[in-house]
Amino acid sequence: QSALTQPASVSGSPGQSITISCTGTSSDVGSYNLVSWYQQHPGKAPKLMIYEVSKRPSGVSNRFSGSKSGNTASLTISGLQAEDEADYYCCSYAGSSTPRVFGGGTKLTVL
Amino acid sequence: QVQLQESGPGLVKPSETLSLTCTVSGGSVSSGSYYWSWIRQPPGKGLEWIGYIYYSGSTNYNPSLKSRVTISVDTSKNQFSLKLSSVTAADTAVYYCAREGSYALLDYWGQGTLVTVSS
Repeated sequence: QSALTQPASVSGSPGQSITISCTGTSSDVGSYNLVSWYQQHPGKAPKLMIYEVSKRPSGVSNRFSGSKSGNTASLTISGLQAEDEADYYCCSYAGSSTPRVFGGGTKLTVL
Repeated sequence: QVQLQESGPGLVKPSETLSLTCTVSGGSVSSGSYYWSWIRQPPGKGLEWIGYIYYSGSTNYNPSLKSRVTISVDTSKNQFSLKLSSVTAADTAVYYCAREGSYALLDYWGQGTLVTVSS
């Protein structure tokens, strides 16, 4: 089971929008609408931001949105704020007894 | 509100067995709706899924760690545990426990505990 592929880093200015991609295969991202995204600030535990490709848990800002096309899922953050600076990880379901796999993580810098 | 808390030694010697426990409050490990997971993060690196256990005792492990990992559950204490044998410095990491809802959705996480492997 290979890790999902994410860019190592992205950056944007306050108020702008950025998109982080997460590329898998036809066995995981491409087969299921079950991609989740996690935000992790330094020294903190990851926090669920998006699940089932585009759903937001209660309490997560609507500035965060998710989408998917083929084998690639994407996380978009609009109206960038300084507090969004963090690492972001994707994860995709790939079957009931298959190992879970994370993306390598993307460091978001707010300029 | 579901809360998870990891506990265990912060220092383990090479070749020994790392043992951690996750205590769950505000929810039950006996719930048939969830899997109970362990994830780790080496310093400065990304997340690595270790495995999960269902309340019935069925497990699913990362193939790269499978020969050294055992995850167990104690429903009477509302806890689940991780054992990783024959540790090396490469196993130094922050270890997180988490609840997995349906389909790889990790909705609640513990704060994490740093385990260092060193003599």
